[in-house]
Amino acid sequence: GQQVMQIPQYQHVQEGEDFTTYCNSSTTLSNIQWYKQRPGGHPVFLIQLVKSGEVKKQKRLTFQFGEAKKNSSLHITATQTTDVGTYFCAGHLGSEKLVFGKGTKLTVNP
Amino acid sequence: NAGVTQTPKFRILKIGQSMTLQCAQDMNHNYMYWYRQDPGMGLKLIYYSVGAGITDKGEVPNGYNVSRSTTEDFPLRLELAAPSQTSVYFCASRSVTNTGELFFGEGSRLTVL
Repeated sequence: GQQVMQIPQYQHVQEGEDFTTYCNSSTTLSNIQWYKQRPGGHPVFLIQLVKSGEVKKQKRLTFQFGEAKKNSSLHITATQTTDVGTYFCAGHLGSEKLVFGKGTKLTVNP
Repeated sequence: NAGVTQTPKFRILKIGQSMTLQCAQDMNHNYMYWYRQDPGMGLKLIYYSVGAGITDKGEVPNGYNVSRSTTEDFPLRLELAAPSQTSVYFCASRSVTNTGELFFGEGSRLTVL
């Protein structure tokens, strides 16, 4: 079954509001990756987190990796219409097998 | 630089037919993956390969076969198509030395009727 759980499944926000998606694993992950998929497109890599407690920022996006390396979050500050899409977390089970969460679909009302 | 190329982009199959989805990458990546994505769902790993001649099962391998005779190519074979295999298929690759980033192809949309 799905070993990487992601919530919420959907999120609707007004432009300018913040957005957060959460990722949880039943097992310790060697690292966590985040991807964005625009409607009709393919997933595009955003970032990889490796260290326990790691926090990385990309402009309005903040990524965190939990201390136990079993959870992660992506936070977007002041959403824009260009942020629309589905955000996936993915965790490595071992060194080769990358397993994806079901994703959070973000819609932004202008 | 073409990256990861998938063909065909669209295909309609009848139940019981067979077909091969092609995937090629020109980045000299060792690792290659096949995922399927059902509507509104995440990506499920079908098969993966860590190098030429080596393949392994993912989460949902039943009904599929793969081969990896060269570093560049990783075809996915459906032997007896079933309606449950209607999906969008993504091929991806990555290097062992970079950040771990997966580079995805544009996808192949398969419908089995």
